[in-house]
Amino acid sequence: SAVISQKPSRDICQRGTSLTIQCQVDSQVTMMFWYRQQPGQSLTLIATANQGSEATYESGFVIDKFPISRPNLTFSTLTVSNMSPEDSSIYLCSVEARGGVSYNEQFFGPGTRLTVL
Amino acid sequence: AQSVTQPDIHITVSEGASLELRCNYSYGATPYLFWYVQSPGQGLQLLLKYFSGDTLVQGIKGFEAEFKRSQSSFNLRKPSVHWSDAAEYFCAVGAAGGGADGLTFGKGTHLIIQP
Repeated sequence: SAVISQKPSRDICQRGTSLTIQCQVDSQVTMMFWYRQQPGQSLTLIATANQGSEATYESGFVIDKFPISRPNLTFSTLTVSNMSPEDSSIYLCSVEARGGVSYNEQFFGPGTRLTVL
Repeated sequence: AQSVTQPDIHITVSEGASLELRCNYSYGATPYLFWYVQSPGQGLQLLLKYFSGDTLVQGIKGFEAEFKRSQSSFNLRKPSVHWSDAAEYFCAVGAAGGGADGLTFGKGTHLIIQP
């Protein structure tokens, strides 16, 4: 398994501002993923982040709103830009299983709880 | 496109009673299936997974799940629940063959344990 940490764990932000969420893994991983969990809802994949290439976004998510960086094999950031109250969610980072030729097993970070006023 | 259906939004079970949480999936090829648990204020923890082989898989905390291809189901079971099992349970499906894709999650089942 992998140990994943996220910063911040929670934040309250004003409408129109941006927040960058950090995800740190204790081992090198190829695939990192960002999910959103809206209040009372399930998880929805935002994008897949590979080191050295542009992130791949799912339908309904765009780079201008959710820019992602992946500078190395243990770290990634997700920025939520120009926030509105609809962006209030838990944002989770996940990584593919270590050693992954991969059966697509993923481990999740603790999440960042974002509230936008 | 793949999808996951968890038909029960809430389930209430008495402590010590048996539990079954339903999950149906739609996927065009061989699916990889997962059950995750999310306790209040906590992250997601993997309970068990199915990739291939024996269709009855054992997980942590006394949970098991059975893959039934003919029914496109992957129901989670536990013979005797404990109060600490109260949580949100998510079924998820992933693409076979490699980690190029994220997971598709069901909407979750909220498990309530009655004393």
